[in-house]
Formats: sequence, structure tokens, C-alpha cells
Amino acid sequence: QVQLQESGPGLVKPSQTLSLSCTVSGGSISSGSYSGRYFWTWIRQPAGKGLEWIGRSYISGSTDYNPSLKNRVTISVNTSKNQFSLKLTSVTAADTAVYYCATEVVPAANQYGAFDFWGRGTMVTVSS
Amino acid sequence: SYELTQPPSVSVSPGQTARITCSGDALPKKYVYWYQQKSGQAPVLVIYEDSIRPSGIPGRFSGSSSGTMATLTISGAQVEDEGDYYCFSTDTSDNHRVFGGGTRLSVL
Repeated sequence: QVQLQESGPGLVKPSQTLSLSCTVSGGSISSGSYSGRYFWTWIRQPAGKGLEWIGRSYISGSTDYNPSLKNRVTISVNTSKNQFSLKLTSVTAADTAVYYCATEVVPAANQYGAFDFWGRGTMVTVSS
Repeated sequence: SYELTQPPSVSVSPGQTARITCSGDALPKKYVYWYQQKSGQAPVLVIYEDSIRPSGIPGRFSGSSSGTMATLTISGAQVEDEGDYYCFSTDTSDNHRVFGGGTRLSVL
């Protein structure tokens, strides 16, 4: 059973870069499962609002991003630390949210799959 | 961009059937996934690939999809089913992957 834990600063100043990490336990970030490949994903949720998919990375380095964030976001995988990370540049108050890391399990025949495992989320506030 | 539309709220009495809809132009060709989120918690997958229930999810949860609308049905809703429900899918080119706006289910 994969377990995920987000970490990073809870407060970021406007115009700076938001950086979060997600530590994977209960399995190797380099492996998948019998049910599919693992894509390492970030999702966020502003207070009182809905979920927003940020993007995902595969172990190969291949990434997919939300077009509305694509110019500011980078998701990368660090196999040596069994972690993956999120960097979001030029943040504003609109980036204030709970940030979740999640594992998307993609069956072999599909392009996308279900978010089977989630971290508990970490609150990030953008404020001076 | 691409949008999935859900009703903001659904309310039922305990034991009744709750139906939450999700509409999107690409749904005839793309799978829908449903997530339940209780207050202060991370979302949990309750239905994947339109109608498959993960292990550990009660049998009262079911999903279906027809045309441009997908439906999450909770047959005999319980008080513990209260929370926010989100559908998730993608546009036909897989470029826009989105959650619906969410539906708050009240069971009272």
C-alpha cells in the first residue's frame, strides 16, 4: 500500500517560487503495480473551493501539466530519495490552497487512470 | 478549456437514493472517475472507469455513463455518506484534465 506525505513551507511570498515535496513509502517510486503504471501527481484545493489538477510526472521524466499553469509549474521525480516534487513560480494569492500529492494508477491500455493514493494535504499560503 | 458540470448540492433522507450527475461534452468517449471528500480529509476514489467500484467501497455506490452525462448513485444513502463528491475526466485530446465543480451531498 503506497503512502504519501507532503512537506514544504506553509508560507510563500508573492512572486516567489512555491516548492513542495512528496515522500513515497510502502513502495518504490520507480515501480508500478499489477494494475498499472504510477504517475506522480499534484492536485490543489483553495479553501472552500473545488479540486484542481496541477499535473503529473512519470518515472521516465515525461510530464503533463494543466494548460492554465503550464508556464509556471514543474513536477519532477527523485528516485534516490523516493520523492517527487512540485515547483510553482511567480505565485500570487490565487495560488493559496491545500496541495495534495497523489498516485495516478494508469492501466496498460489507458492514457490516464484513477488517483488511488493521496497524501493528507499541506496548506500553502501566499502572503507578504 | 474543458468543463465538467455538477449540481452544487443534493439532499436526501437516510435510506433514499441519491443521484449526482456530471455532464461534459467528451464523456461519450472518456471515462469518468468519482471522488468523495469528507470535511478536512483528502478525497477518496469511489468509482473508476465510469462504473467500477474499488475494493472497500460499499456496494450502495454505483456509477453509470450515457452520452454526455455520468451519474453517481448512492442507493440507500447513509449519514456517513455526507460530503463533497467530484467527478474527474478529460477532453477528447487528453489536454484538459479537470474535476467537476463538486456536489455537496446532505443526508438528513
